[in-house]
Amino acid sequence: TQLLEQSPQFLSIQEGENLTVYCNSSSVFSSLQWYRQEPGEGPVLLVTVVTGGEVKKLKRLTFQFGDARKDSSLHITAAQPGDTGLYLCAPVGGSNYKLTFGKGTLLTVNP
Amino acid sequence: EAGVTQFPSHSVIEKGQTVTLRCDPISGHDNLYWYRRVMGKEIKFLLHFVKESKQDESGMPNNRFLAERTGGTYSTLKVQPAELEDSGVYFCASSQAGGGYGYTFGSGTRLTVV
Repeated sequence: TQLLEQSPQFLSIQEGENLTVYCNSSSVFSSLQWYRQEPGEGPVLLVTVVTGGEVKKLKRLTFQFGDARKDSSLHITAAQPGDTGLYLCAPVGGSNYKLTFGKGTLLTVNP
Repeated sequence: EAGVTQFPSHSVIEKGQTVTLRCDPISGHDNLYWYRRVMGKEIKFLLHFVKESKQDESGMPNNRFLAERTGGTYSTLKVQPAELEDSGVYFCASSQAGGGYGYTFGSGTRLTVV
């Protein structure tokens, strides 16, 4: 059974600060997706990373896939209140591409 | 394009009753998935359709859950009879060609069994 850990579980910061959240596993991922979820809504896809060592940027968000494809990180620069939400990492597995979700990091950015 | 639509958004039912959740995927998306989050736990996979065929139902909790996808369009998930532990948020997601490059999720149905 794949163990998936996201840290920190909760993070509360002030607007303008930088932050990094982590996703770690005991298994190697073929690929991994990051989602953000807001209250009352479903997860919204941010990025898919596929290659070990890959770095992808989405405006102020930088996603990195570990060289060994067992971990990933999300770095947010100059956080804004609109970044508030639950950040979920989800390795993609099997021929049907089903997702295994972590518990997520609940980020609150205070104005 | 319209997103993934789920109905109802909330449902409160008594233990032992039947509830049917519906999901309308994005038009043209052959792949449809059901996921569930119970209180305090991770979102977990329930099952996967390709068109009208069930590809993987390994995540279905037990035989009180029945999923169908009529004509490869919308899908329903029926819980009969509902138990207290079935409470949670049920998400539907669709993708055009496998989920390897991302899914579009619906807003979910919050089911409360009392």
